[in-house]
Amino acid sequence: AAGVIQSPRHLIKEKRETATLKCYPIPRHDTVYWYQQGPGQDPQFLISFYEKMQSDKGSIPDRFSAQQFSDYHSELNMSSLELGDSALYFCASSWIQGSYEQYFGPGTRLTVT
Amino acid sequence: AQSVTQLGSHVSVSEGALVLLRCNYSSSVPPYLFWYVQYPNQGLQLLLKYTTGATLVKGINGFEAEFKKSETSFHLTKPSAHMSDAAEYFCAVSGLYNQGGKLIFGQGTELSVKP
Repeated sequence: AAGVIQSPRHLIKEKRETATLKCYPIPRHDTVYWYQQGPGQDPQFLISFYEKMQSDKGSIPDRFSAQQFSDYHSELNMSSLELGDSALYFCASSWIQGSYEQYFGPGTRLTVT
Repeated sequence: AQSVTQLGSHVSVSEGALVLLRCNYSSSVPPYLFWYVQYPNQGLQLLLKYTTGATLVKGINGFEAEFKKSETSFHLTKPSAHMSDAAEYFCAVSGLYNQGGKLIFGQGTELSVKP
């Protein structure tokens, strides 16, 4: 079965640089969520999209932005990167007519040096 | 507001022993409850979920959990631990889609299984 695809899997950036993370949800899924998991921490919700519209916003820094495109893939754009942005970034997708399950991608590990 | 508390950041059991991972939640609306497992350097895999209906839910790999509204708990159990169960386990709560549907995670419990 198709799963959530995230790219790249690993990304190394320097401080003040910009990063773009991509997420391709499971086909027919209409909702995408982004989470950030710092070292040894639980995942924290950043932002979500339903049918290409932002549906909810969590603790996402103003330096970050995201959008969902017409093909339902989503991108998380991170600017002016800081050391503290080093984390595992997960994308999850779900289907609003489904059973509220969110299926997670393998994550993108971002290291800021 | 919703929150999740997992009692015990680290649980160690012997192979073949009972696994019990505790989760308590706080929610002002009927909660949807989930357990996820995370192996090192991997994503989160759904073990089981409770949305409505039967309060005892069975998941993959022999795990089950019981939703107890009176105790606001959703503890995860497995009768007999296997070495391959060693991982990080997260309990999570979410509301309805019209409330965002985002998952609020507990702090996680690392399960170690001794031979």
